[in-house]
Amino acid sequence: DAEITQSPRHKITETGRQVTLACHQTWNHNNMFWYRQDLGHGLRLIHYSYGVQDTNKGEVSDGYSVSRSNTEDLPLTLESAASSQTSVYFCASSGASEYNEQFFGPGTRLTVL
Amino acid sequence: GQNIDQPTEMTATEGAIVQINCTYQTSGFNGLFWYQQHAGEAPTFLSYNVLDGLEEKGRFSSFLSRSKGYSYLLLKELQMKDSASYLCAVMDSNYQLIWGAGTKLIIKP
Repeated sequence: DAEITQSPRHKITETGRQVTLACHQTWNHNNMFWYRQDLGHGLRLIHYSYGVQDTNKGEVSDGYSVSRSNTEDLPLTLESAASSQTSVYFCASSGASEYNEQFFGPGTRLTVL
Repeated sequence: GQNIDQPTEMTATEGAIVQINCTYQTSGFNGLFWYQQHAGEAPTFLSYNVLDGLEEKGRFSSFLSRSKGYSYLLLKELQMKDSASYLCAVMDSNYQLIWGAGTKLIIKP
């Protein structure tokens, strides 16, 4: 069965460290997204990609970067982790049409001390 | 600005019916999605509306009025497993999903 996975599931790091969160999907979807979810807020879009070598900034992209070298993977990098980046991070993928729902990975809980 | 409003929390009784409302103001509209999210888990897709009216899918139905910027999710014959957060999201003119903060639904026996 097709799926979308994230690793690690939990991560504790220190302020200033570089952190990379992995996202891998076997749906063969062109579209991939990274969100963060914080209490009291809806899911907020960090970065997204519509295909290999395509990346775009979302609503809250400062301090984050992504790269898309193949269809399956969209790793999210925190260049220099800050306490404000403590959150739950979800990766999602979808087909090309606007009515295609997004399929979400299980999430990564990141704590920055 | 873009805004999605939903009640923060609702409580209902097992076996009953509950309606969760969502109002939106977005730059453009390309459809409205409802997702379910159990605590500690990922959101999962429930429904998609792009035309006015009611879409029924088993115990769940979703309604849309584009002129009013309004949608609701109707859950019938509530079961304890329906205890979850329900997320409303609108696809804007840039084909990005704008998410509400979610409605936490508590089901009591």
